[in-house]
Amino acid sequence: GAGVSQSPSNKVTEKGKDVELRCDPISGHTALYWYRQSLGQGLEFLIYFQGNSAPDKSGLPSDRFSAERTGGSVSTLTIQRTQQEDSAVYLCASSISGGIYEQYFGPGTRLTVT
Amino acid sequence: RKEVEQDPGPFNVPEGATVAFNCTYSNSASQSFFWYRQDCRKEPKLLMSVYSSGNEDGRFTAQLNRASQYISLLIRDSKLSDSATYLCVVVPGAGSYQLTFGKGTKLSVIP
Repeated sequence: GAGVSQSPSNKVTEKGKDVELRCDPISGHTALYWYRQSLGQGLEFLIYFQGNSAPDKSGLPSDRFSAERTGGSVSTLTIQRTQQEDSAVYLCASSISGGIYEQYFGPGTRLTVT
Repeated sequence: RKEVEQDPGPFNVPEGATVAFNCTYSNSASQSFFWYRQDCRKEPKLLMSVYSSGNEDGRFTAQLNRASQYISLLIRDSKLSDSATYLCVVVPGAGSYQLTFGKGTKLSVIP
């Protein structure tokens, strides 16, 4: 079946611009996660959505970052006024539920801020 | 001490060799443990869960030592296709949904 999809696959933007990254989770998966992976670094948790519950935003690095999940499915991560340190691969993952279930990752969006 | 620590490698081993990776974690209340595999410029994929009693899946064996707070992954009879970065993943506590990832150990299997 279809896996997690993300778009765009690559995004180059100028410093100060806003960007939107999209994630389509696996159908039926109630849990959705956003991570960031900078060069040579581990995955950094950003935000978690579970069903209709309030999201856990504790990993968002600043108030320039926000995310929403519409209808319990598609999610959008928005970065406002991008900075060069925002350059990274942004990975989305979904799982059948929160907790210890396997997370299935999308291919990521490679963001480059010039 | 970092939450999850791994030797970054790289581990360069010949085909057919046995190689082992260790990972240490700082939170003694951690409940669940996994190894994920990440190929170059690809997304991570679950390799195997790590159970308290240890578990084996073909050429791969995972062990957990709660007293010393470390997890290991043993790969026997290495194949070229095993070349990847292996990520140690820890779930901090019961009911937690957040995975904490190590930075990964890079393995290169050489012909």
